[in-house]
Amino acid sequence: NAGVTQTPKFRILKIGQSMTLQCTQDMNHNYMYWYRQDPGMGLKLIYYSVGAGITDKGEVPNGYNVSRSTTEDFPLRLELAAPSQTSVYFCASNLQGDSQPQHFGDGTRLSIL
Amino acid sequence: GESVGLHLPTLSVQEGDNSIINCAYSNSASDYFIWYKQESGKGPQFIIDIRSNMDKRQGQRVTVLLNKTVKHLSLQIAATQPGDSAVYFCAENGGNNRLAFGKGNQVVVIP
Repeated sequence: NAGVTQTPKFRILKIGQSMTLQCTQDMNHNYMYWYRQDPGMGLKLIYYSVGAGITDKGEVPNGYNVSRSTTEDFPLRLELAAPSQTSVYFCASNLQGDSQPQHFGDGTRLSIL
Repeated sequence: GESVGLHLPTLSVQEGDNSIINCAYSNSASDYFIWYKQESGKGPQFIIDIRSNMDKRQGQRVTVLLNKTVKHLSLQIAATQPGDSAVYFCAENGGNNRLAFGKGNQVVVIP
């Protein structure tokens, strides 16, 4: 199993550009999550999904959108990139919500200039 | 609001010594806790977890202690090695199918 795979690993965007961060998992996990991690800070939940077709907002959803058309994929969309969205983005998944550890990808480092 | 936090930002430890990382939590309803290790440029890696019906759980060179009375969680690493240098953070189940993560504690192992 590859686990949780995120692409790209690095990206530089100009203000106002859009992009999609890809996340896929091959563990047949129902739950998937997107976090951002700013320097010296913990993980902040952006959006999460409890299964295909279902998504919910986390702590910091503004400026982002998600979709979950399949169990495996959970892309994160930035429509109008802003400097405040410069961060490292992590995708995670687990089988059963908050009673099991989440498995993380290696992140996408995004800079908005 | 409820939060998860760590006491010390950086812990320097001599190679071979034991390390102790502490975490305070405020949600008395939390019943599941996890410790993660994050190396530079990598995603968080699961180390060990514990449920609230236990006080202690041991893994390979790691032990997690849970004190529900004072809402305190600790991670003990035995015989710390250079490969243990990383950021460690705790997480608790915050309800609504989410985990709430602390800010992290940097561990630096001195050879």
